Amino acid sequence: ELKVEQNPLFLSMQEGKNYTIYCDYSTTSDRLYWYRQDPGKSLESLFVLLSNGAVKQEGRLMASLDTKARLSTLHITAAVHDLSATYFCAAQKRGTNAGKSTFGDGTTLTVKP
Amino acid sequence: DTGVSQDPRHKITKRGQNVTFRCDPISEHNRLYWYRQTLGQGPEFLTYFQNEAQLEKSRLLSDRFSAERPKGSFSTLEIQRTEQGDSAMYLCASSLAGSLYNEQFFGPGTRLTVL
Repeated sequence: ELKVEQNPLFLSMQEGKNYTIYCDYSTTSDRLYWYRQDPGKSLESLFVLLSNGAVKQEGRLMASLDTKARLSTLHITAAVHDLSATYFCAAQKRGTNAGKSTFGDGTTLTVKP
Repeated sequence: DTGVSQDPRHKITKRGQNVTFRCDPISEHNRLYWYRQTLGQGPEFLTYFQNEAQLEKSRLLSDRFSAERPKGSFSTLEIQRTEQGDSAMYLCASSLAGSLYNEQFFGPGTRLTVL
């Protein structure tokens, strides 16, 4: 059974600081996703990572994937208040084409001035 | 709006009542997923359809839950004899089978409160 663990679960940052969120998954996976969720809202797709060493960047967020370590990271650079949200990673088990995703419990990020 | 839509957005019901939710996927997507999300947790997979066929159901989907996608377009999720433990956000997502990223696009969700 595929399990996904994120840490930290809660993160309070000062504006302008950098930090990394970690996502570990238990079995070989085909795809790794990062989502953002604002309170009371649905999930917004941020990144899709397919292969070992994949790196994607959008604004102050950068996601990477290490399939050998079964680890993905979401790096935040020079945080701003607008990045406050809950971030989820999700993985899809290799060999199944169903697209069913297993999610971590999320990292709630609060960026303070 | 061409995204995934869900109806209703909020539902309050009394324990023991039946409720039904609807999801309309992105029009060209042939896969449709249902997830459940409780406070402080990530979404948990419930079931998914490819076209009108229900191909997988989670153990979380008890006998009180039934989902349909009769014409391969919209889907309904019914919960019979609701319990307080059913209170959650029910999320629907859709994707296109065979696409490289198999990216799921989520709807706004239906928040269910069982009193």
